[in-house]
Amino acid sequence: QVQLRESGPGLVKPSQTLSLTCTVSSGSISSGSYYWSWIRQPAGKGLEWIGHISTSGSTNYSPSLKSRVTISIDTSKNQFSLKLSSVTAADTAVYYCARNYYGSGMYYFDSWGQGTLVTVSS
Amino acid sequence: ELVLTQSPGTLSLSPGERATLSCRASQSVSSSYLAWYQQKPGQAPRLLVYGPSTRGPGVPDRFSGGGSGTDFTLTISRLEPEDFAVYYCQQYDNSQWTFGRGTKVEIK
Repeated sequence: QVQLRESGPGLVKPSQTLSLTCTVSSGSISSGSYYWSWIRQPAGKGLEWIGHISTSGSTNYSPSLKSRVTISIDTSKNQFSLKLSSVTAADTAVYYCARNYYGSGMYYFDSWGQGTLVTVSS
Repeated sequence: ELVLTQSPGTLSLSPGERATLSCRASQSVSSSYLAWYQQKPGQAPRLLVYGPSTRGPGVPDRFSGGGSGTDFTLTISRLEPEDFAVYYCQQYDNSQWTFGRGTKVEIK
């Protein structure tokens, strides 16, 4: 079963860029009908989808974050990454990476990382 | 922009009782694109049901999903102690993924 793990700094200063990487193991990031997503969850709140990338590198982003988000993929390393620029305290959250299955007309998240807390503070 | 409204916000029930959770979409959506997740404190969400009535891997048959158009339901036939958690519905539309705000199922 595929496994995902987020990594990156747990503390980012305001106005700087948040950078996280998701490493995929026990499966190839290039195989199958999958998108690779980032989702975040502020403490005590719900899930917010940030964006996804396909194995060919095409991306889609949440309209509310689109101006600040870049998602990239490195198939040689079996990784994909998130950059969120000009962060504020409102970007403090647990960040999850996840795999989206699309196939047979179905769309859902079938695998998740354990999540990593990113705090924006000076 | 598609909005998913979940109700109730909190459901207080006892073990053994039946739980019915609602997810209403702001516009008609494909039922194939609807999924439900369970999240326990400190854990990542777990896929429960998709499409909207197919259970995910290892999900007990007390969980069932259904609905169409704008109204979808997740039912837990008999609550077990491990079922007390937060449940989210999710939809995929126009290359965007949307989550509802969640329903917390708590022990009464």
